Amino acid sequence: QQPVQSPQAVILREGEDAVINCSSSKALYSVHWYRQKHGEAPVFLMILLKGGEQKGHEKISASFNEKKQQSSLYLTASQLSYSGTYFCGTRIHNTNAGKSTFGDGTTLTVKP
Amino acid sequence: NAGVTQTPKFQVLKTGQSMTLQCAQDMNHEYMSWYRQDPGMGLRLIHYSVGAGITDQGEVPNGYNVSRSTTEDFPLRLLSAAPSQTSVYFCASSYDRYSYEQYFGPGTRLTVT
Repeated sequence: QQPVQSPQAVILREGEDAVINCSSSKALYSVHWYRQKHGEAPVFLMILLKGGEQKGHEKISASFNEKKQQSSLYLTASQLSYSGTYFCGTRIHNTNAGKSTFGDGTTLTVKP
Repeated sequence: NAGVTQTPKFQVLKTGQSMTLQCAQDMNHEYMSWYRQDPGMGLRLIHYSVGAGITDQGEVPNGYNVSRSTTEDFPLRLLSAAPSQTSVYFCASSYDRYSYEQYFGPGTRLTVT
């Protein structure tokens, strides 16, 4: 089941904040976030695991609400370089890893 | 390291033609996968492999074949191209089946007329 992302698009000025949500109708094991710039390949941002563990290597934060099966990606004090399309990917369990299901993306545009 | 490489970068096919999209990685990753991305959409998993000699189907496998004879290479074969297969195809790899961080190749833009 494909996760649902909201909003579909966001336009910000530099320095403003944004929140991107990712919801699933199924119980999730993990949520992972990627950013894709126009014409390029997706790049991994972070992973959130059931139980609260979070792994990532960018200055972007996220949360995972297990009760609601929802993850939110927080981009604070946005920079021009944050522009791109953000995808969440979800896994229902860890035993058959590789079967990640991706949302349709949220396009973020940061203007000067 | 070159990372994940894909060839060709662009391809135009006529309906009914077959072709193979190439994917290679030099990171000694066990896990490799193929996705397609239609305009304005997310990534749809076509096939994946958890190691040499082992492949499995993803969400949208119809019309595609894969094989994994070596750790490095994971080609995707289109059996008889259809206009519905017009898309951007991404190959990705990760350390193993439990790794969350996937490394994506630059993509192949395929048009079927």
